[in-house]
Amino acid sequence: QKEVEQNSGPLSVPEGAIASLNCTYSDRVSQSFFWYRQYSGKSPELIMSIYSNGDKEDGRFTAQLNKASQYVSLLIRDSQPSDSATYLCAVASGSARQLTFGSGTQLTVLP
Amino acid sequence: GAGVSQSPRYKVAKRGQDVALRCDPISGHVSLFWYQQALGQGPEFLTYFQNEAQLDKSGLPSDRFFAERPEGSVSTLKIQRTQQEDSAVYLCASSLPTGTNEKLFFGSGTQLSVL
Repeated sequence: QKEVEQNSGPLSVPEGAIASLNCTYSDRVSQSFFWYRQYSGKSPELIMSIYSNGDKEDGRFTAQLNKASQYVSLLIRDSQPSDSATYLCAVASGSARQLTFGSGTQLTVLP
Repeated sequence: GAGVSQSPRYKVAKRGQDVALRCDPISGHVSLFWYQQALGQGPEFLTYFQNEAQLDKSGLPSDRFFAERPEGSVSTLKIQRTQQEDSAVYLCASSLPTGTNEKLFFGSGTQLSVL
């Protein structure tokens, strides 16, 4: 079992809809959680970070964390075609500096 | 510089050749990471530096992989006797460590193809 699991997709939503991306992790001592966006052929770009249980909102993006369920999600409201990309969930555990990434979910927003 | 710079952008090697990949992190960033990203997968951790010290190399897949950062800025990832399974994008990332929270800034990567 991978340490960070994501549905690979592809996930398709119409423009203006809410896109919901999910991630589960196996290490209970994980402390920091990140969502990266990666356009095809480009490098990952940090879009959200969350460290405490609950919701964190930043513009059209909301990250949700539930440590008891070992679950983190990303909601994208009013999805735009420019949001079409692969979204990577990443987790930092304990004293380890490195991030462990999921395989990513490919999102397509249809105009 | 404004961002993390990696070179070359593309590298084609014949199996058995040695390659060297360069990373120039954001100025002042103490932490530097190397990741390997296979097609359709997320980045996989290779190694981590804090300044010139290599604090974690647990992700290096074999002793053919070697990384250094002698002056605490530019880093080089070297792969000896390349194999086809080494074909991947090699990403470098840097950050300013703030407690346990690492906000990584990635370079554009080096796409390595081993023929």
